[in-house]
Amino acid sequence: QLQLQESGPGLVKPSETLSLTCTVSGGSISSSSYYWGWIRQPPGKGLEWIGSIYYSGSTYYNPSLKSRVTISVDTSKNQFSLKLSSVTAADTAVYYCARHVRAVADNNWFDPWGQGTLVTVSS
Amino acid sequence: QSVLTQPPSVSAAPGQKVTISCSGSSSNIGNNYVSWYQQLPGTAPKLLIYENNKRPSGIPDRFSGSKSGTSATLGITGLQTGDEADYYCGTWDSSLSAGGVVFGGGTKLTVL
Repeated sequence: QLQLQESGPGLVKPSETLSLTCTVSGGSISSSSYYWGWIRQPPGKGLEWIGSIYYSGSTYYNPSLKSRVTISVDTSKNQFSLKLSSVTAADTAVYYCARHVRAVADNNWFDPWGQGTLVTVSS
Repeated sequence: QSVLTQPPSVSAAPGQKVTISCSGSSSNIGNNYVSWYQQLPGTAPKLLIYENNKRPSGIPDRFSGSKSGTSATLGITGLQTGDEADYYCGTWDSSLSAGGVVFGGGTKLTVL
């Protein structure tokens, strides 16, 4: 079955750029009707959608993070990546990647999810 | 402050029924489908309900979803101790300020 796995540094210094990669296995990232998304969860808090990308490169970003976020896709490696610039302690969170099912504009859900990776922003 | 409003916590006894509400507006729940996620302690969220009331394969029919106007509800019957988890609703928001996927703040379910 489809599986997603996040990877990247667990510690990032303030003002630097957080970089994570999600590797998709058991299916093709180029499948139609599917976007691929990033969601984060600060310790003890709720979920926050960061953004999503289609295999063609089309993206949607959370307006509150848009100025700092870049999501890209590498179909040859079946991977998609997240870059979040100018990080602060407020960006400390567990970062999840997930398949974003966007059947039509008004119909969206995430399934499945990766196991998540904790990224701490600290000097 | 989440765009979608959920009660912080709910509780009920084993075997009983519980409902979790998710309140929004016309720019999100009112005109978009709702999904629900279960997050067991220390694990990633898992899809429970999509398209307001549909269950993915493997999700028992003890879990149900509904939507009316700008609110959605998750129902769980025959509560089990294994249902203790955080539950989140999610949908698309079409407003300029929040445009994109939005989630509720989460509801912690305690099975007494």
